[in-house]
Amino acid sequence: EVQLVESGGGLVQPGGSLRLSCTASGFTLSDHYMDWVRQAPGKGLEWVGRTTNKADSYTTQYAASVKGRFTMSRDDSKNSLYLQMNSLKTEDTAMYYCTRRPYGGRGIDSWGQGTLVTVSS
Amino acid sequence: DIVMTQTPLSLSVTPGQPASISCKSSQSLLHSAGKTYLYWYLQKSGQPPQLLIYEVSNRFSGVPDRFSGSGTGTDFTLKISRVEAEDVGVYYCMQSLQLPFTFGPGTKVDIK
Repeated sequence: EVQLVESGGGLVQPGGSLRLSCTASGFTLSDHYMDWVRQAPGKGLEWVGRTTNKADSYTTQYAASVKGRFTMSRDDSKNSLYLQMNSLKTEDTAMYYCTRRPYGGRGIDSWGQGTLVTVSS
Repeated sequence: DIVMTQTPLSLSVTPGQPASISCKSSQSLLHSAGKTYLYWYLQKSGQPPQLLIYEVSNRFSGVPDRFSGSGTGTDFTLKISRVEAEDVGVYYCMQSLQLPFTFGPGTKVDIK
């Protein structure tokens, strides 16, 4: 069974930093592209960023709203994905979901339960 | 960015009756390799989204056959043949043709 478990969320002041983690199980992480998607309270879904798999050299791409502030990384040996968030703004307040793409596919087939990030003074 | 729109934004359905949600994209979601990258998700209250339909019309593992997807190019539809109480939540369409992935605003479905 595919499982994605996020951690690291919490309350942080504007301008601060936070590092989210996602632990994957039930599949071979190195085979899959992985994305982060966020959802502000009571709002819709927003794609945050993507890391490709080992075969495609772990390249990353980000939404314009977070580019230059957020950095995705992964450690397949630890079955883990990370999202380093710097220079946080109040508008970054959201539930952050770790998601998986199907092998060879383009969409998202699995979601974690999410971790809540609140940026507030 | 590709803009996704959905109609209606809310829907109240009698159990056992059909329901239909429309999703439109600002450009064709047909890839040069022949696949169309339109996905449907259901987000139940307090839960993450769950995949229902991938590539327009393919039901994901475990999804009941009362859910079906159709459409081409820029116009897509999710249909529930007979709505059940467990189908309440917010339905989102998503395009994965190009980055950034973009989602529709969501359609909230509840039971009359």
